[in-house]
Amino acid sequence: QSALTQPASVSGSPGQSITISCTGTSSDVGSYNLVSWYQQHPGKVPKLMVYEGSKRPSGVSNRFSGSKSGNTASLTISGLQAEDEADYYCCSYADSGTWVFGGGTKLTVL
Amino acid sequence: EVQLVESGGGLVQPGGSLRLSCSASGFTFSDHSMHWVRQAPGKGLEYVSFISNNGDRTGYADSVKGRFTISRDNSKNTLFLQMSSLRAEDTALYYCVKDLRDKYSFDYWGQGTLVTVSS
Repeated sequence: QSALTQPASVSGSPGQSITISCTGTSSDVGSYNLVSWYQQHPGKVPKLMVYEGSKRPSGVSNRFSGSKSGNTASLTISGLQAEDEADYYCCSYADSGTWVFGGGTKLTVL
Repeated sequence: EVQLVESGGGLVQPGGSLRLSCSASGFTFSDHSMHWVRQAPGKGLEYVSFISNNGDRTGYADSVKGRFTISRDNSKNTLFLQMSSLRAEDTALYYCVKDLRDKYSFDYWGQGTLVTVSS
């Protein structure tokens, strides 16, 4: 049950697009299309942004999109806005029958 | 409106025990698997445990297996986490989390209850 690997930080200017990667193994990300992404602002609870790899819950902006290739999932945020500045976590269901999170990525909007 | 309210956190000595509770409302509790996720101060999210909607299946992260036990009382819409043999590294904010049914993801989170393990 090793944590999924995410970059510690990414940054971008307003209006730009950024992509956050999430690398796992053939026992989690690679085996299932069950990666979800969460946004967490400081002092707040996590918010579901993407589930089943690429689906958005009702109310989540279509600027957020998810994808997967092999053992790596990605979250892309287009048209960056100041309010997007937050920590982002990926999570995958795993062969162990439980879930595993990534270490988190701090997004800075310059 | 979905509400998840955790309680039971506090300061406990290493080796001690604590029982967390989560009172759920605003949805049909018995239809959903439930989870515990924790976050150490200033750190990332860590998955802890899940229980199926009727309690017949449970799962644990390796870091807590054998020390923590998850359970639920569907008649009282309440989720529990019994924690024993607590260690300093268990210090964290513990979130009660509702699953997005059949989607293997988490759509509602409580505000969390803080567990501090220290002598």
